[in-house]
Amino acid sequence: NAGVTQTPKFQVLKTGQSMTLQCAQDMNHEYMSWYRQDPGMGLRLIHYSVGAGITDQGEVPNGYNVSRSTTEDFPLRLLSAAPSQTSVYFCASSPWGIVNYGYTFGSGTRLTVV
Amino acid sequence: DQQVKQNSPSLSVQEGRISILNCDYTNSMFDYFLWYKKYPAEGPTFLISISSIKDKNEDGRFTVFLNKSAKHLSLHIVPSQPGDSAVYFCAASHTSGTYKYIFGTGTRLKVLA
Repeated sequence: NAGVTQTPKFQVLKTGQSMTLQCAQDMNHEYMSWYRQDPGMGLRLIHYSVGAGITDQGEVPNGYNVSRSTTEDFPLRLLSAAPSQTSVYFCASSPWGIVNYGYTFGSGTRLTVV
Repeated sequence: DQQVKQNSPSLSVQEGRISILNCDYTNSMFDYFLWYKKYPAEGPTFLISISSIKDKNEDGRFTVFLNKSAKHLSLHIVPSQPGDSAVYFCAASHTSGTYKYIFGTGTRLKVLA
């Protein structure tokens, strides 16, 4: 099993550019989410989804869009990148309703906006 | 407003001794807690969890203690090994909601050989 796959691993963007961070999981997990990790801030929830066609905002959703057209994929879109979005982004998935399962995380995408 | 706090950014422990990592939370609705371990350039990996109906959960060298009245949980690692050197995050959720987890800021543990 590949688990949760994130691409790309590294990306440098110019301010104002757009891009999509990809996340795919092959475990048939209903729940998927995006977190960003910043020094001294821990992991903060950006957006999450409890199934195909259903998404909702987390703690820090501004500047990001998501969609969930399939169970497997949960891309994160930056419409107009800003230096404040420089961070490490993690995608995570979990079965829905099994609270003690925990999340399975991808290996992360390190994004720098210049 | 940080709902889950890890007040110690770093901790150093000698190999073979006990490591104690602490976590405090403010939201009394939280009823499920997890600990994750993170190595550099990797995603966090699930370590151990505890429900609010328990005050202790053990898995091998790892034990998590929950003190609901103090809104405090701790992770004990005994004995500590050099391979335990990593960043540890605690996370909390209220399971009547949508299983969103709020993470603490992490504690970097260094186990000295």
